[in-house]
Amino acid sequence: AQTVTQSQPEMSVQEAETVTLSCTYDTSESDYYLFWYKQPPSRQMILVIRQEAYKQQNATENRFSVNFQKAAKSFSLKISDSQLGDAAMYFCAFPNSGYSTLTFGKGTMLLVSP
Amino acid sequence: DTGVSQNPRHKITKRGQNVTFRCDPISEHNRLYWYRQTLGQGPEFLTYFQNEAQLEKSRLLSDRFSAERPKGSFSTLEIQRTEQGDSAMYLCASSLDGPNQPQHFGDGTRLSIL
Repeated sequence: AQTVTQSQPEMSVQEAETVTLSCTYDTSESDYYLFWYKQPPSRQMILVIRQEAYKQQNATENRFSVNFQKAAKSFSLKISDSQLGDAAMYFCAFPNSGYSTLTFGKGTMLLVSP
Repeated sequence: DTGVSQNPRHKITKRGQNVTFRCDPISEHNRLYWYRQTLGQGPEFLTYFQNEAQLEKSRLLSDRFSAERPKGSFSTLEIQRTEQGDSAMYLCASSLDGPNQPQHFGDGTRLSIL
């Protein structure tokens, strides 16, 4: 079974600063995708960024980027120039075998202060 | 694209009652997923449909739970003889086919058992 571990229950960052959220996973698959989702308080979960395991290049979406270390099974999310609107719960997610459903980590609550 | 719609947003019921939730996915999405999320945890997979076929069910889905997607469009999740432990947020998501396709989530239905 796939497992996803987010070891930081909560992180704090000041506006305009950079923060990195960590995620590790365990799988026997060789080709897969990884996802980061954001869930603001009382709002729906939205996709932040996704990474294809066979791609060497780390994915980037505007201020969001990943540091994907396949051998270490590590998939961290870096948020640059943090904004108040980035405050949310962030979940790392990994597809189950057959690429159907997702296994989510327990999440990291990101607090952003002015 | 109106997004994934879930109804009701909140449901309060007495223990032992039956409840039914509805999910309307994004119209062109043939995959539909149900997850359960408890406080401080990431979503946990319950079941998933490819068109009208229910392809996978989690061990979390006891025989009190049933899900349908009769015409491959909207889906319902019914919980019979509700128990205190059923209190949670029930999330629905939909996606296109393919391992890299992101899942789009609804706002969820929060179930509270008195």
